[in-house]
Amino acid sequence: QKEVEQDPGPLSVPEGAIVSLNCTYSNSAFQYFMWYRQYSRKGPELLMYTYSSGNKEDGRFTAQVDKSSKYISLFIRDSQPSDSATYLCAMRGDKIIFGKGTRLHILP
Amino acid sequence: EAEVAQSPRYKITEKSQAVAFWCDPISGHATLYWYRQILGQGPELLVQFQDESVVDDSQLPKDRFSAERLKGVDSTLKIQPAELGDSAMYLCASSFDRDSLRCNFGPGTRLTVT
Repeated sequence: QKEVEQDPGPLSVPEGAIVSLNCTYSNSAFQYFMWYRQYSRKGPELLMYTYSSGNKEDGRFTAQVDKSSKYISLFIRDSQPSDSATYLCAMRGDKIIFGKGTRLHILP
Repeated sequence: EAEVAQSPRYKITEKSQAVAFWCDPISGHATLYWYRQILGQGPELLVQFQDESVVDDSQLPKDRFSAERLKGVDSTLKIQPAELGDSAMYLCASSFDRDSLRCNFGPGTRLTVT
């Protein structure tokens, strides 16, 4: 079992829909949880990070962590075509481990 | 806003040749990372520097890969000899220190080995 599991997609949703992206993990030592966005042919950029169970909101983005279930989510409200990208979850214990990334397409 | 610089952006090389990538991190960032990202996968750490010292190179294939950050600023990653399986995106990233969660990535170097 990989330390971090993430469905690669692709996930296609209509503009304006709520998007839900998820990752599961197996290592209880992970303390910090991050979401990165990566546009085609670019490096990843940090969207959000959190270190505790619960929700953290930043504009249209909400990160959710459930440590008891080892499950994290990223919700995107009012999705826009410019949100089309690959979304990578990442987790930190003694090092940062990335998921495979989920390719998201927002359809105009 | 300051950015991590990488060059070249694209590199095509034949197998068994040597290739080198360069990274200039954000000024003041003590920690520098080299990641490899195979198409359809997440980035995998190759080597981590704290200033000029290597703190983690456990996943670096040391028989063919080398990395240095001599003055604790910019860094070079070298592959010699290149193999077909080395085709990937090589990403450099930097952070203020090793405990920082805010890690800034460069645009990457896309390597194709033929």
